[in-house]
Amino acid sequence: TQLLEQSPQFLSIQEGENLTVYCNSSSVFSSLQWYRQEPGEGPVLLVTVVTGGEVKKLKRLTFQFGDARKDSSLHITAAQPGDTGLYLCAGAQVGSQGNLIFGKGTKLSVKP
Amino acid sequence: GAGVSQSPSNKVTEKGKDVELRCDPISGHTALYWYRQSLGQGLEFLIYFQGNSAPDKSGLPSDRFSAERTGGSVSTLTIQRTQQEDSAVYLCASSSQTGLVNNEQFFGPGTRLTVL
Repeated sequence: TQLLEQSPQFLSIQEGENLTVYCNSSSVFSSLQWYRQEPGEGPVLLVTVVTGGEVKKLKRLTFQFGDARKDSSLHITAAQPGDTGLYLCAGAQVGSQGNLIFGKGTKLSVKP
Repeated sequence: GAGVSQSPSNKVTEKGKDVELRCDPISGHTALYWYRQSLGQGLEFLIYFQGNSAPDKSGLPSDRFSAERTGGSVSTLTIQRTQQEDSAVYLCASSSQTGLVNNEQFFGPGTRLTVL
C-alpha cells in the first residue's frame, strides 16, 4: 500500500503551459516536502510545508499543503525546459523519527 | 563545501555475492539516512542513524541487509547474498536537524546496484 499517492505519474507538456502535480494520503503528516531529482543525481529539496492550508511560492512554483495536512500540490506556471525532472513529495509521519515517506514521483518533460 | 558522497557510483555483482556501499555525509551532520529507489518506484526508507542513538532499522527489507555508522560519520550499507530484486539505486542522505519540521535532507548521487 502506497502511503503517499502522487499523480500524474508522467506529464509531457509544451513550454509555457501550466501544470499541477498532486500528492494525496489518508494519513496526516507533520510536514511535507517537495524534491526535484535529475537523472544520476539525488533529490534536491525545493520546499517544506508545515502548517495546514499553507501556501509557499518559489518563483514560478506554488506549493500548497491541505488544511488537514493529508495532501499537497505543486503548481508550475509557464513551464520551461529547465523544469524537466522527477518531482517527489515526501512526508514526515506524526510520531516518526524524521525518516520520510516518499511518493513514487511525477516525471515531467517540458518540450521547447 | 562538500556534499554527501557515495561510492561506488555503480556496482555490478553476481547473485549470491555480498556488497558494501559507502556513504560520506556532510561534515557535522548528525542524522544519516539510507533509501532505496527502484525503477518506477519512489524512495523506500531503509535505515536511520541519529548521533549515538540506536539506529531505526524498521525499513530494512530482510536480515540480509545491515548498516553501520562508524564514529558518527561514514556509513556502510551491506547486502549479503544479493538477489536480483536487490537491484536498485541506493541513496544516502544526511541532515543537521532531526525531527519532523524543517528537516532538510541532503542526498548523495546514489549507488546503482545491478545484481546479475
